[in-house]
Amino acid sequence: EAGVTQFPSHSVIEKGQTVTLRCDPISGHDNLYWYRRVMGKEIKFLLHFVKESKQDESGMPNNRFLAERTGGTYSTLKVQPAELEDSGVYFCASSQDDSQGPYEQYFGPGTRLTVT
Amino acid sequence: GNSVTQMEGPVTLSEEAFLTINCTYTATGYPSLFWYVQYPGEGLQLLLKATKADDKGSNKGFEATYRKETTSFHLEKGSVQVSDSAVYFCARGGGGFKTIFGAGTRLFVKA
Repeated sequence: EAGVTQFPSHSVIEKGQTVTLRCDPISGHDNLYWYRRVMGKEIKFLLHFVKESKQDESGMPNNRFLAERTGGTYSTLKVQPAELEDSGVYFCASSQDDSQGPYEQYFGPGTRLTVT
Repeated sequence: GNSVTQMEGPVTLSEEAFLTINCTYTATGYPSLFWYVQYPGEGLQLLLKATKADDKGSNKGFEATYRKETTSFHLEKGSVQVSDSAVYFCARGGGGFKTIFGAGTRLFVKA
């Protein structure tokens, strides 16, 4: 069974440009999460989808970030326009529907974003 | 502020040495606690977990015990191997489905 995949693995863009990150969760996982790790600090939660709906987007830093999950399968995270402080590693994770918890989130390898 | 605090790295050990990576948390109630590991070039993997006080999570020779008195979840391994070199993240359930992570501790094991 394929794990969570992310594309691209690395992206280098200039300040002011737009970047779109993609995440393909494990097939059948309704829950999809985005996290990011900035400059070797803690990994921070960005948002959580249940199927195509945003369940919790409390971690989204500002309106330059837009996440979508049309059709409830893969998800994209767009940063527009990118700023220097957006540099970091963006992780995607997915989990099965488990209202009882605790759940196991399966993580992708991450996309390393560098804004210059 | 961050509610999961773990020891700063890097930690460098020789093979077969004893490993401890300290982790403490702040939370209301008793959240689930986790250790994740990220090997070079790979994604995060759940290493072990504990869901209630005094539970001991264990996997691949690693152990951690949920201590509510000290709000700690220290990771231990009796004899590390070179293949254990990775970044280790302590984490807790954050309410709902989110996970709150510490800053990570990089471990280097020398042959």
